[in-house]
Amino acid sequence: DIQMTQSPSSVSASVGDRVTITCRASQGISSWLAWYQQKPGKAPKLLIYGAYRLQSGVPSRFSGSGSGTDFTLTISSLQPEDFATYYCQQANSFPRTFGQGTKVDIK
Amino acid sequence: QVQLQESGPGLVKPSETLSLTCTVSGGSISGHYWNWIWQPPGKGLEWIGYIHYSGSTNYNPSLKSRVTISVDASKNHFSLTLSSVTAADTAVYYCARGWAGAGDYFDYWGQGIPVTVSS
Repeated sequence: DIQMTQSPSSVSASVGDRVTITCRASQGISSWLAWYQQKPGKAPKLLIYGAYRLQSGVPSRFSGSGSGTDFTLTISSLQPEDFATYYCQQANSFPRTFGQGTKVDIK
Repeated sequence: QVQLQESGPGLVKPSETLSLTCTVSGGSISGHYWNWIWQPPGKGLEWIGYIHYSGSTNYNPSLKSRVTISVDASKNHFSLTLSSVTAADTAVYYCARGWAGAGDYFDYWGQGIPVTVSS
């Protein structure tokens, strides 16, 4: 199985801050990576797929980059509704695997 | 707008079989991959497996011996059965549509159904 490791596990930030979350795959996955946002008690929401492609309806303050083993999710200017947990997921091979999550909370 | 809704018992006894159904509305079950994903309390997400509308399946090897996913296209729903459950199977279970390629990414999700394994 491909292991996905996110860092940091949590980050405290303020509204307006730029936030960066990283995800590392245990082996190369080209650009087969997605990012999800999950709020408490809710299902995850697809934000980015193919490492950098923005899902329809997702605000442009979210962006993704990277390929191979190292990936980044950036929120350019954190908004109140962005406080949540973020997961990466690889789609290179089966079984599909997720990172352990990064919680973004209020500073 | 595609919507998914999980249904099934919220409490299952140890050693018994868990059965959940996901009903798809606002779109056809045809042409996509339909997944189950679980999330133990306070933990991350784990992919259980998928079924393609054609009936082909792919399961996580960690659960393969206990999992069956089936589809009923006439009812626009698909189902999960997990046998010989233990407390470790206590989780929120999500159904999700796999989109792009071989269902690479999960673009529509159910709200999730919490399941507790306890006597």
